[in-house]
Amino acid sequence: DAGITQSPRYKITETGRQVTLMCHQTWSHSYMFWYRQDLGHGLRLIYYSAAADITDKGEVPDGYVVSRSKTENFPLTLESATRSQTSVYFCASSRRDTGYEQYFGPGTRLTVT
Amino acid sequence: AQSVTQLDSQVPVFEEAPVELRCNYSSSVSVYLFWYVQYPNQGLQLLLKYLSGSTLVKGINGFEAEFNKSQTSFHLRKPSVHISDTAEYFCAVTPGPSFGGSARQLTFGSGTQLTVLP
Repeated sequence: DAGITQSPRYKITETGRQVTLMCHQTWSHSYMFWYRQDLGHGLRLIYYSAAADITDKGEVPDGYVVSRSKTENFPLTLESATRSQTSVYFCASSRRDTGYEQYFGPGTRLTVT
Repeated sequence: AQSVTQLDSQVPVFEEAPVELRCNYSSSVSVYLFWYVQYPNQGLQLLLKYLSGSTLVKGINGFEAEFNKSQTSFHLRKPSVHISDTAEYFCAVTPGPSFGGSARQLTFGSGTQLTVLP
């Protein structure tokens, strides 16, 4: 039971480059979420998706793009990375009937130099 | 909209001592409340949740929390901590039964680092 996985686990990139963080879940959960974790801020929602081809903005969406062509995958793309996007990124998923109970991946630590 | 305040950013405590991690929330509607734990270099794991019913909620690893509606609090407690409880703890809130939207968004507090000392 793989659950929810993220790749890569660690990434260093340069300012201005495009970066894609991958998220894959094996539970067929309807909802998927992307959060960023920064010291002093807890976790803040970037984007979420209620189903394939349905996405919506969260609290801090600027500079990020998402897509969801398949239920199990929810990639997050930084189109032109900035230093302020240095963070730990977590993907989460939840069932439709218990959408509040979210299951988290192990995270991706992204450093933008 | 909801907000969550975790009153202590760091809590050091000696092994086998009791601990309380404080969480206060703000919301104009009824809410569901959660505590998550994050061990180093790992994702978040659900410790316990309050949806309805008894205001004292028991979770994994011997933790419990009490929902206090009048004080808008949801403090986490453990009567005797172990070294292995060292981790960061997050309180989170989402709209409750009156919510009519789709995906529920969790609003997190800024976290409390619990360090258990030998």
